[in-house]
Amino acid sequence: KAGVTQTPRYLIKTRGQQVTLSCSPISGHRSVSWYQQTPGQGLQFLFEYFSETQRNKGNFPGRFSGRQFSNSRSEMNVSTLELGDSALYLCASSLGAKADTQYFGPGTRLTVL
Amino acid sequence: AQSVSQHNHHVILSEAASLELGCNYSYGGTVNLFWYVQYPGQHLQLLLKYFSGDPLVKGIKGFEAEFIKSKFSFNLRKPSVQWSDTAEYFCAVNANGGATNKLIFGTGTLLAVQP
Repeated sequence: KAGVTQTPRYLIKTRGQQVTLSCSPISGHRSVSWYQQTPGQGLQFLFEYFSETQRNKGNFPGRFSGRQFSNSRSEMNVSTLELGDSALYLCASSLGAKADTQYFGPGTRLTVL
Repeated sequence: AQSVSQHNHHVILSEAASLELGCNYSYGGTVNLFWYVQYPGQHLQLLLKYFSGDPLVKGIKGFEAEFIKSKFSFNLRKPSVQWSDTAEYFCAVNANGGATNKLIFGTGTLLAVQP
């Protein structure tokens, strides 16, 4: 069974631009969560989706948004990029809705210049 | 606020040495606990998890962890490390009563095993 896939793997943007990252969960998984990983802050929860509904949102500004499609694929969007948004963005999928094991993708490395 | 503490940020061991990495969390309710590992150049992988039952859980590659509820701890152990265990280790807690999949991660412990 294929793992979690994320596209693109690497992205370079400039301040003020916006970016969209994509995540395809493991087949059959309906929950997708997003995390931001930086050397200074570690892994921080961004948001979680289940059956196209956002169930949880982390402590990030409104520039960070996401959505989930009917096939469970998810996208996250960051508008008006800032230098501090440079990070590895990780997507994780789970089979169920509650406290299930999460499987992580390889991440998208975003660099903001 | 809920938090997870990993007290060891960097650990250097020689091969065959024993390993114990500390993890403490702050949450009084029901928790589900995880240890993930990130090998150089690879993505996060699950080492082991605790949901309920026997507080001593065994994971892949000879790792185990013990859940001590009274100490709010979930320490990771391995009796004899190998060079291939060089990686970053993350403790994570699902601390919202199991209602969602949100994880709170510790800051990670970078383990270097010297051959």
